[in-house]
Amino acid sequence: QVQLVESGGGVVQPGRSLRLSCTASGFTFSSYGMHWVRQAPGKGLEWVAVIWYDGSDKYYADSVKGRFTISRDNSKNTLYLQMNSLRAEDTAVYYCANLLGYCTGGSCYGGGSLDYWGQGTLVTVSS
Amino acid sequence: QTVVTQESSLSVSPGGTVTLTCGLSSGSVSASHYPSWYQQTPGQAPRTLIDSRNTRSSGVPDRFSGSILGNKAALTITGAQAEDESDYYCLLYMGTGANWVFGGGTKLTVL
Repeated sequence: QVQLVESGGGVVQPGRSLRLSCTASGFTFSSYGMHWVRQAPGKGLEWVAVIWYDGSDKYYADSVKGRFTISRDNSKNTLYLQMNSLRAEDTAVYYCANLLGYCTGGSCYGGGSLDYWGQGTLVTVSS
Repeated sequence: QTVVTQESSLSVSPGGTVTLTCGLSSGSVSASHYPSWYQQTPGQAPRTLIDSRNTRSSGVPDRFSGSILGNKAALTITGAQAEDESDYYCLLYMGTGANWVFGGGTKLTVL
């Protein structure tokens, strides 16, 4: 069965960095694009970033652009989110999910919705 | 700045039918936004109900269905059950530049 397990969350001071990981199993990781989504305490879901199946393209929400970097290592079935210059408003549970559909260039054919989700990892940015 | 709108809360009686909607602050939702729907109960990760192909995800009961109604996307629950009491989020694909936007979520009460 499909499993996505996030790790790397914790408490970090404002301005510092943190790297999240998402380890996949139960499907051919290298064939799927991947999303990161976050949820601040008591708030709704916010889409954060996406990476194509081969890592050829990456896109970000305006709120994290220039500070966060999404990447993947298909040999390790692992997705990453490098988060730099962290702010209090980045405090959230971060979820990874695989992307349904085929994406190339700047477009996703079929909409690229989220399919399976991990259980999330909590990031708290506080001094 | 694109804002995706959802009802903040709705209620339905057990066995009843309810429609949740997903709109845009400016413009209409169309099939090219490939709307998808997600359910989340407190303390749990979200799960996908309806994907961007307008297909129910594995294990999702057939009382859940997605559609485009007028200028909005819609999630209809026909024959609501107590276990459907959850938060529901829609997601729209905004196309070029490949970005997605969630709605603010609808809290559904079954009573």
